[in-house]
Amino acid sequence: AQSVTQLGSHVSVSEGALVLLRCNYSSSVPPYLFWYVQYPNQGLQLLLKYTTGATLVKGINGFEAEFKKSETSFHLTKPSAHMSDAAEYFCAVSDPRGYSTLTFGKGTMLLVSP
Amino acid sequence: DSGVTQTPKHLITATGQRVTLRCSPRSGDLSVYWYQQSLDQGLQFLIQYYNGEERAKGNILERFSAQQFPDLHSELNLSSLELGDSALYFCASSGRDSYNSPLHFGNGTRLTVT
Repeated sequence: AQSVTQLGSHVSVSEGALVLLRCNYSSSVPPYLFWYVQYPNQGLQLLLKYTTGATLVKGINGFEAEFKKSETSFHLTKPSAHMSDAAEYFCAVSDPRGYSTLTFGKGTMLLVSP
Repeated sequence: DSGVTQTPKHLITATGQRVTLRCSPRSGDLSVYWYQQSLDQGLQFLIQYYNGEERAKGNILERFSAQQFPDLHSELNLSSLELGDSALYFCASSGRDSYNSPLHFGNGTRLTVT
């Protein structure tokens, strides 16, 4: 079975500061990994995904994530936070072997202060 | 706008009742997924349909059922409702399976059981 752990239910940063949201996964096979963002009163939106190939993945809105197999991690970063980045972020994993569905972490709320 | 439409947006009902949540997937998408989001459990995968057939089943209670119709819209039926069923229910769609094409989420149906 797969699982995802997101460290920190809330992360607070100042505008312009580095954003780092942590995600660790557990999977018996090399997984596919995703980050989704949820703005208030909206559904989830894909930020970026890793399937195969380059381990540093760039997504929308200046976010990127690096797949580190040895650390079973897929942390999300952004060099400079913007007020509009305030939202809840979900890391997810899928099993590429079959009819895969996504297993989500519990989410991290990003708070950005001026 | 993700292109996934969920109705109704809000639903308030009493314990023991039955409700139906409706989802219209993005044009051209064959896969429909249902997720339940609650504060304590996070995002839980319920069930997936692909082109009218059940593809995968997650933590879906026996009191819950779903189907996907020939026009590809889907309905999630929740019966004998309990207070603990209060949650946000999301529908998502994708072109094929989630690892080859990303999930597109609707804005959810907020169910309140009183």
